[in-house]
Amino acid sequence: KQEVTQIPAALSVPEGENLVLNCSFTDSAIYNLQWFRQDPGKGLTSLLLIQSSQREQTSGRLNASLDKSSGRSTLYIAASQPGDSATYLCAVSASSNTGKLIFGQGTTLQVKP
Amino acid sequence: DVKVTQSSRYLVKRTGEKVFLECVQDMDHENMFWYRQDPGLGLRLIYFSYDVKMKEKGDIPEGYSVSREKKERFSLILESASTNQTSMYLCASSEQGGYGYTFGSGTRLTVV
Repeated sequence: KQEVTQIPAALSVPEGENLVLNCSFTDSAIYNLQWFRQDPGKGLTSLLLIQSSQREQTSGRLNASLDKSSGRSTLYIAASQPGDSATYLCAVSASSNTGKLIFGQGTTLQVKP
Repeated sequence: DVKVTQSSRYLVKRTGEKVFLECVQDMDHENMFWYRQDPGLGLRLIYFSYDVKMKEKGDIPEGYSVSREKKERFSLILESASTNQTSMYLCASSEQGGYGYTFGSGTRLTVV
């Protein structure tokens, strides 16, 4: 059974720092991996999707990498801002058509001004 | 702006009531999902649907059922609400393969 783990559970950094969030998964037979952001009391917003054949994806200050063989992904946030404060969730999909996701428990990030 | 709309933001129901949570998407997505989110347990899939009138159980389907009569609408039904179903319920939709995954704002259900 696929399990997704995110470390650390919480992170607090000063504004301007570059930071890395980690995600690991137990079964390397994934179709894709996604990173989401969740603000308190809200739904999730998709940030980046990496296909299993890809190594990384970039969007603005965000860069996500994928090492399928080792079961790891990282989300790199450059020059962090207070507006980046949120919970970041990693999720993997094993299916090519249903889109069913298995989520990690998330890393709650606080960026202090 | 593409949307997944959940009918209620907050809901309070009594134990034993039949509860309907409604979700509508305007993106013509094939797939729709119901998750619940609880502190310490994360997001867990209750049911999903990959086509109209097609549904599959997720990881925690007990006590729930679903209905998808039209492509844009996916309803979650709590047959007889219990206090352990107090939770945040999140609806989502996506294209095949999980592309374009879009979540609603959530319904916080309290069963008393």
